[in-house]
Amino acid sequence: GAGVSQSPSNKVTEKGKDVELRCDPISGHTALYWYRQSLGQGLEFLIYFQGNSAPDKSGLPSDRFSAERTGGSVSTLTIQRTQQEDSAVYLCASSDPNQPQHFGDGTRLSIL
Amino acid sequence: KQEVTQIPAALSVPEGENLVLNCSFTDSAIYNLQWFRQDPGKGLTSLLLIQSSQREQTSGRLNASLDKSSGRSTLYIAASQPGDSATYLCAVPMEYGNKLVFGAGTILRVKS
Repeated sequence: GAGVSQSPSNKVTEKGKDVELRCDPISGHTALYWYRQSLGQGLEFLIYFQGNSAPDKSGLPSDRFSAERTGGSVSTLTIQRTQQEDSAVYLCASSDPNQPQHFGDGTRLSIL
Repeated sequence: KQEVTQIPAALSVPEGENLVLNCSFTDSAIYNLQWFRQDPGKGLTSLLLIQSSQREQTSGRLNASLDKSSGRSTLYIAASQPGDSATYLCAVPMEYGNKLVFGAGTILRVKS
């Protein structure tokens, strides 16, 4: 069946611009996660959605970062006024509770 | 705060060797532990998930063990092949919500 799909696969933008990254989770998975993978920082948690509960935003690095999940399915991660330190691979995962997380191939974001 | 450490950071072996990758975590109150594989430019592929009540899980040539009390897990790869070359990551949930804390990974190269 279809896995987790992320778009775009690559994004290059100028410093100060806003970007939107999209994640289509596996159908039926109630949990959706965003992580960031950057050189020197490894993989770090950003935000977590579980069903209709309020999202856990404890990993977001600043108020320039936000995410939403519409209809319990597709999620969008938005970064406003991008900075060079935002350059990284942004990974999305989905799962059922306490089950293996399934990851997309990520969006490679480069800020010029 | 949960911290995950993986040893070695990199490993190069000839084809056919059996090998062990190590993962340690500081907080033993985990719900599960997950091993992933990451190929260059790709997302993470889940290899094995061990629930906290389990001691080990096996899938093909892979065997993962878990010792909660000592805060350790090992991933054993039997009869290694060049196709096993990748980065291997272990991760544990911060809490039941399954937000994962990752180790820095072990970069494995299997030479033919």
